[in-house]
Formats: sequence, C-alpha cells, structure tokens
Amino acid sequence: DTAVSQTPKYLVTQMGNDKSIKCEQNLGHDTMYWYKQDSKKFLKIMFSYNNKELIINETVPNRFSPKSPDKAHLNLHINSLELGDSAVYFCASSQGGTSGTDTQYFGPGTRLTVL
Amino acid sequence: LAKTTQPISMDSYEGQEVNITCSHNNIATNDYITWYQQFPSQGPRFIIQGYKTKVTNEVASLFIPADRKSSTLSLPRVSLSDTAVYYCLVVAGGATNKLIFGTGTLLAVQP
Repeated sequence: DTAVSQTPKYLVTQMGNDKSIKCEQNLGHDTMYWYKQDSKKFLKIMFSYNNKELIINETVPNRFSPKSPDKAHLNLHINSLELGDSAVYFCASSQGGTSGTDTQYFGPGTRLTVL
Repeated sequence: LAKTTQPISMDSYEGQEVNITCSHNNIATNDYITWYQQFPSQGPRFIIQGYKTKVTNEVASLFIPADRKSSTLSLPRVSLSDTAVYYCLVVAGGATNKLIFGTGTLLAVQP
C-alpha cells in the first residue's frame, strides 16, 4: 500500500548506456514530479506533469525524457548516461498541481550510479 | 520565490524542545512557509505549512511573526528518530507548484 513507489531502488550502469526509472502513485493525485538530489544533498526539481501534461521543465539536458502514460505513472528515461548523472532521483506527487501550497508526497528514491 | 536561510546544522538531546529558525526576507504577499523533513535514504516528507502567526499539528509548531520575514519550526521533546534534515521552503499560493529546496538544517539528536 505504498503511496509513491519507484523502481529500481538502486541502478548501477556504465557511461553511455540508456536507462529508465519508473514511478507510480496510488493516491489519485493529478500531478507528479521528478527531483534530483546530488552528492552534496541539493534537491532540485527537474520536471512536473499535471494530468499527463508537462507543466514544469527545468534546465535539464535533452538526454532526460519524462513520460507519463497515465496520471498515476511518470517514468524517467535517460539516454547516454554521464558520470554527472549519478545522484538520487526522487519521484513525488500532489493532489492539485497549480499551487505551490499543495503538499508533495515523495517516493523512496532511486540511487543511480554511473561508472 | 524568496530565498531562505537556515542554520546548516543543530545538535540537541532527547527530550529537549528544538527550534529551527529560517529567514526569508523577500517573502511575497501570496507566499506560504512550508517545512519538509528528510531522513537518510528517504524522500522528503511534509511537516507543516503556515501563512502567519502560529500553526500547530501533531508533529510540530510553526511560528511566523507579523512581518513574515522569518519563521521558526518548533519540535517538542525530540527523540533520536527526529534526527534528519529539515528544509524551510517558501511556496507561492495559487501559482506554480515548484518547490525550491535550500541546504536544510541537519538536526542531530543525541541520547
């Protein structure tokens, strides 16, 4: 009965590979997000989707492509992985999507290590 | 969105009350103050949100003075399990849902 789940929890891969991280929420929320937390623990938003539509797209390389097949899922695909992509990636969701005051519920994170 | 400043770290002992202050000098009229908590190897978790004066829930209290340029998160009688990073965020009501996290305050609770 996990609210926001991510798979895999750990991902170790070589430079240049393509990988995906999956996220699912069973809260019935309209909006989902991807955040990146680097080695210095800074947590930054990457994308947000509201009802399958992209509404926030921060300055993220084109190698990162989010895909939302339905409003309960937001997957993150990363092409041509680089060493600097190593980080913990968090998925989150919120009920609404148009207000900064909406509480966001975070998943457990996916630790990506690029060798 | 207003930038926030909070202490990098704080130490406390079990059973004490902990107050973490955050400054947000450029807070706008429509902005709210929100606090999240992050345990090691977990995602952040919402603690409390307020606009002015005092807000209290089962976990914490949030004190916001009249000028709203700062706020204080108060954790009553902390335990070892309260060791975490606490983030103070300014969020825009009725606007974009982007959360901007700062460096947070690492609270270390000792026995």
